[in-house]
Amino acid sequence: GAGVSQTPSNKVTEKGKYVELRCDPISGHTALYWYRQSLGQGPEFLIYFQGTGAADDSGLPNDRFFAVRPEGSVSTLKIQRTERGDSAVYLCASSPGERGIQETQYFGPGTRLLVL
Amino acid sequence: QKEVEQNSGPLSVPEGAIASLNCTYSDRGSQSFFWYRQYSGKSPELIMSIYSNGDKEDGRFTAQLNKASQYVSLLIRDSQPSDSATYLCAVRGGGSQGNLIFGKGTKLSVKP
Repeated sequence: GAGVSQTPSNKVTEKGKYVELRCDPISGHTALYWYRQSLGQGPEFLIYFQGTGAADDSGLPNDRFFAVRPEGSVSTLKIQRTERGDSAVYLCASSPGERGIQETQYFGPGTRLLVL
Repeated sequence: QKEVEQNSGPLSVPEGAIASLNCTYSDRGSQSFFWYRQYSGKSPELIMSIYSNGDKEDGRFTAQLNKASQYVSLLIRDSQPSDSATYLCAVRGGGSQGNLIFGKGTKLSVKP
């Protein structure tokens, strides 16, 4: 079946602008995660959804970052007043949500965000 | 602060050799451990998961877990140039849900 998809694949914006990044998880997966990866680093957790609700948003760096998943499927990560330091690859992952400790996350291709 | 530590490398091995990648983690309550492979410019791809102490083999890959030492490793036998990538160790804390904590990754280079 289809994997996790993310759009756009690349986004270039100017400092201070607003951006939206979209994630479409694997069909049937109830858990959805956003991570951010900077060059030379491992992915860093941002937020986790179980169904429609944000189960853990402790990784969001500040209140400029917000994410929604209104129907429990597609999720949108929203960044307001972008800063150059927001430049990174934003990764989305999904998992079935029912496999106990064997719950496995599958990653999308990522959105490469560049803030000029 | 829960941490996952990996040697960033690069680790260089000749084709056909065994590559050994190591990872330590700080949260003693962690229950799930994963190795992801990431090619340059691509997203992480799951290659192994392990949940109990001991070895788990899948083809040329063997994951090893020692919870007492808080140590997890990945062995790649008969290394191929196509194995050249960054290998990310990821750990999930207690419970079935929740985020993964990743190391910075070890860059592996397999020389023909």
